[in-house]
Amino acid sequence: GAVVSQHPSWVICKSGTSVKIECRSLDFQATTMFWYRQFPKQSLMLMATSNEGSKATYEQGVEKDKFLINHASLTLSTLTVTSAHPEDSSFYICSARGDRGVIAGGYEQYFGPGTRLTVT
Amino acid sequence: RKEVEQDPGPFNVPEGATVAFNCTYSNSASQSFFWYRQDCRKEPKLLMSVYSSGNEDGRFTAQLNRASQYISLLIRDSKLSDSATYLCVVNAEYGNKLVFGAGTILRVKS
Repeated sequence: GAVVSQHPSWVICKSGTSVKIECRSLDFQATTMFWYRQFPKQSLMLMATSNEGSKATYEQGVEKDKFLINHASLTLSTLTVTSAHPEDSSFYICSARGDRGVIAGGYEQYFGPGTRLTVT
Repeated sequence: RKEVEQDPGPFNVPEGATVAFNCTYSNSASQSFFWYRQDCRKEPKLLMSVYSSGNEDGRFTAQLNRASQYISLLIRDSKLSDSATYLCVVNAEYGNKLVFGAGTILRVKS
């Protein structure tokens, strides 16, 4: 099956520093990747859609200058949380939309294992 | 109003019980529907898609009612390993972003 990896799986950093999270599709090419954030006991919230070779599309309320997304190849997208603050502490999950199959009218998304960010 | 609404639960059921979860969505243009399962501190994993005619996968049955904008998931013969959060997910635009419900917590006890 399709595998998506994320690195790192967890990170603790000090307030004001920047953190880069990598999302890789290991055995397929992903033209589109998605970045989500999940706070405790809440649903996944889409932050942005990352398209290979073009600018990311950010959801309303998500600061593009704070959450930098780069999708430089068909297998790698990165999310950089710049000048992180404690309120940015969350579970960040990426997913990759493959072209391997259409189910129920849409493309399946394959999720990475997530990155738990704690900002102190 | 949230785009996808679910009863948060928790649903506490004994092993072997049958349990049903419901979900409503607000966008009538929604194209595709899914149930995902999320274990504590893990990523969501696709449980099953939901087809218009209803579909079954082993102990799991999903139903869709487009007129009422309502999706359901039935789990028969619950196992301890079914304990998780079940996420109702709607894809409003073909091939594009997913909208997640907040999830329903299921706890199966022996």
